[in-house]
Amino acid sequence: NAGVMQNPRHLVRRRGQEARLRCSPMKGHSHVYWYRQLPEEGLKFMVYLQKENIIDESGMPKERFSAEFPKEGPSILRIQQVVRGDSAAYFCASSPLASGIGYEQYFGPGTRLTVT
Amino acid sequence: DAKTTQPTSMDCAEGRAANLPCNHSTISGNEYVYWYRQIHSQGPQYIIHGLKNNETNEMASLIITEDRKSSTLILPHATLRDTAVYYCIAGGSNYKLTFGKGTLLTVNP
Repeated sequence: NAGVMQNPRHLVRRRGQEARLRCSPMKGHSHVYWYRQLPEEGLKFMVYLQKENIIDESGMPKERFSAEFPKEGPSILRIQQVVRGDSAAYFCASSPLASGIGYEQYFGPGTRLTVT
Repeated sequence: DAKTTQPTSMDCAEGRAANLPCNHSTISGNEYVYWYRQIHSQGPQYIIHGLKNNETNEMASLIITEDRKSSTLILPHATLRDTAVYYCIAGGSNYKLTFGKGTLLTVNP
């Protein structure tokens, strides 16, 4: 049973370019969460999605960031016009039911974004 | 989520039990205690969680005090591969896991 898959594992973008991060949840999981970890800091919640719905995006910057989880295919975190401050590790997690009420989240290996 | 307090770092000898404490004195009645760990630069790994009763799985045991204001994660026989940052998270009313700074556990040979 494959775990949470993220790709690419490493992504280098120049300032102003777009970054697209993909996350395939574990089989049978329909709830996806994105977190960001800045260097030397803890993980910060960004967004929670179910299939075709954004449930909570309160942790996402208002500008340039968007996320989707289509009916078919992986969840996508999109960062437009990247800046150096976007350099971080982005982790995706999934759960079979709404996490928090006793259901744990399973994390992927992360995508390390470097903006030059 | 309730605020948690953990020691910044701990050391443990290989083969011995590692006991990692966590204080969550403001935890509410329906909030679970979760433990995750992050081995250098990898994605966080779920370890265990509990509400009121002590819990045990193949990785660890979780001891929650009767008043639920603190808990201890026990790794019964620590190995070098258990060196990681361990996060105690007290939450449950929502899905946002709040990762603090955690405890850096170093297992020494």
